[in-house]
Amino acid sequence: ELKVEQNPLFLSMQEGKNYTIYCNYSTTSDRLYWYRQDPGKSLESLFVLLSNGAVKQEGRLMASLDTKARLSTLHITAAVHDLSATYFCAVVPRDSNYQLIWGAGTKLIIKP
Amino acid sequence: EAGVAQSPRYKIIEKRQSVAFWCNPISGHATLYWYQQILGQGPKLLIQFQNNGVVDDSQLPKDRFSAERLKGVDSTLKIQPAKLEDSAVYLCASSFGTRVGDEQFFGPGTRLTVL
Repeated sequence: ELKVEQNPLFLSMQEGKNYTIYCNYSTTSDRLYWYRQDPGKSLESLFVLLSNGAVKQEGRLMASLDTKARLSTLHITAAVHDLSATYFCAVVPRDSNYQLIWGAGTKLIIKP
Repeated sequence: EAGVAQSPRYKIIEKRQSVAFWCNPISGHATLYWYQQILGQGPKLLIQFQNNGVVDDSQLPKDRFSAERLKGVDSTLKIQPAKLEDSAVYLCASSFGTRVGDEQFFGPGTRLTVL
């Protein structure tokens, strides 16, 4: 069964702290997306990771991909309130007709 | 560049009624997707079109849901009759290419409440 598991599902943290969201997946994949969703809004693409060892950074967010471990991480550095949102990872399985397999999302609340 | 447009943004209906949603993808995008997102969950793909042909509708409840993409541009998704469990946000997305895993751009969604 194709599965994508995010951990944690809910995270409340203080501004200025660092934290990491994990995305584990059960299938072989060479492409993984991270999306952000604000309450009541649609999904916004943050990163696409295309190969083993890929690392991308945008502001206080950094995403990485380890295809051998079937693991991606989204690291938040010195969190600010504006980063409060739900973060989804989505995996493109290799050798499959499936487009994207989505995680359940991590709801991140950053308190001032 | 204009994004993916959807309407209506909100809809409240009673069970057993019918409802239709409309989506206009980004100009030039060949592939269009409809997703259902239940509160607290990730999106679930209902149907995928490439131009005006269906690529994947394996998770579409075909006894009550239907979708079409006329002329390979706009698309409509219909539910008839609606059930309580259809309450969700219906997201439309489009991608430029036709390769598996091409980046998808999402519209604002239609929030459906079935009473």
